[in-house]
Amino acid sequence: DAKTTQPTSMDCAEGRAANLPCNHSTISGNEYVYWYRQIHSQGPQYIIHGLKNNETNEMASLIITEDRKSSTLILPHATLRDTAVYYCIAEGSSNTGKLIFGQGTTLQVKP
Amino acid sequence: DVKVTQSSRYLVKRTGEKVFLECVQDMDHENMFWYRQDPGLGLRLIYFSYDVKMKEKGDIPEGYSVSREKKERFSLILESASTNQTSMYLCASVGGTWQPQHFGDGTRLSIL
Repeated sequence: DAKTTQPTSMDCAEGRAANLPCNHSTISGNEYVYWYRQIHSQGPQYIIHGLKNNETNEMASLIITEDRKSSTLILPHATLRDTAVYYCIAEGSSNTGKLIFGQGTTLQVKP
Repeated sequence: DVKVTQSSRYLVKRTGEKVFLECVQDMDHENMFWYRQDPGLGLRLIYFSYDVKMKEKGDIPEGYSVSREKKERFSLILESASTNQTSMYLCASVGGTWQPQHFGDGTRLSIL
């Protein structure tokens, strides 16, 4: 599984877009990029995933660079409830259970 | 939406007790997982199951067992609880290759 690198923490103003970067320079061709977040004392919540095309759902957008060595999760209009730890994972097949959650990025959304 | 339900949010047990943690998913997923999460150690896989009555050891299976008698239910068993098993336990399920895992809210277990 490819190792990912994320900034330890970020701040964002409420109502503004939050852009969370992730580096996965050793990602292989069959590995997807998954994003999860974890709010204190709750289980991880799935946000979005993608292989090489940009993806968008009701929660967020995922932008993957053409060389697939990095990606950015975009929360278009951050709210206070988006304050959480965000995890970026590069994984070949999540149904084997080998999700490796690193330290993630602690996003603090401020009023 | 996928719903993964863990039977208890908080649980306190005594050393030596046999402890059962229950997890139920409502999406007919074949694959289910048990993790524990500890500060500074991230999520660690304890056991997983590909199908009813099938189980595979994860990275830290010692001191645990599992049971999957029905597709929707995956139970984690602490045979003789010890204080070093105090942790947050997370259950997850996934519907197929390349699909994301969906997690329950977790059980915060304290062994006294």
